[in-house]
Amino acid sequence: DAMVIQNPRYQVTQFGKPVTLSCSQTLNHNVMYWYQQKSSQAPKLLFHYYDKDFNNEADTPDNFQSRRPNTSFCFLDIRSPGLGDAAMYLCATSRGGSFGANVLTFGAGSRLTVL
Amino acid sequence: DQQVKQNSPSLSVQEGRISILNCDYTNSMFDYFLWYKKYPAEGPTFLISISSIKDKNEDGRFTVFLNKSAKHLSLHIVPSQPGDSAVYFCAASGYGGSQGNLIFGKGTKLSVKP
Repeated sequence: DAMVIQNPRYQVTQFGKPVTLSCSQTLNHNVMYWYQQKSSQAPKLLFHYYDKDFNNEADTPDNFQSRRPNTSFCFLDIRSPGLGDAAMYLCATSRGGSFGANVLTFGAGSRLTVL
Repeated sequence: DQQVKQNSPSLSVQEGRISILNCDYTNSMFDYFLWYKKYPAEGPTFLISISSIKDKNEDGRFTVFLNKSAKHLSLHIVPSQPGDSAVYFCAASGYGGSQGNLIFGKGTKLSVKP
């Protein structure tokens, strides 16, 4: 089945220790997104790639970076995790392009714990 | 400031009855609205959508109603089933849905009791 796979599902890190979360997709979608969801909060968009074009949300901290080496993979790098970065990180994809194409397909998420 | 608001964190409904989940938005530029459903330990999955040129969209047991003047949409589930128990997120998009970036509400946890 075509899908969006996130690894690892659970990540524990220490305060300040860099972390990389990965996302892969078999849908051949043009757009890949990273959302952060804290407990009982709305998923919040951090950034997205439309093909190779990177689009950062204005309020995304510099501590968060992303890489998309090819169509299938996208990475979220947290350079120096703080306690406030503990959250579920959701990767999603969409076709992009025409009207109504903004239906997102989500991965199961990576839950980050910062000690 | 929240642009998409789901003011009910939870809702409990008896099996077979109607579930009504509500969502309000503040940005008049939004023109495409979606509902996602999320089970524990899974990512959200798309349920149903509606564009601003419509006021109703139906898919089986699920119907979404849009009231643009009130900036309000609702999801009706009839009849509700225990398997519908999940968190439901309302989301909105501008630009005709062609780009970026969905703005989500905080979600409403629906419990359907047998």
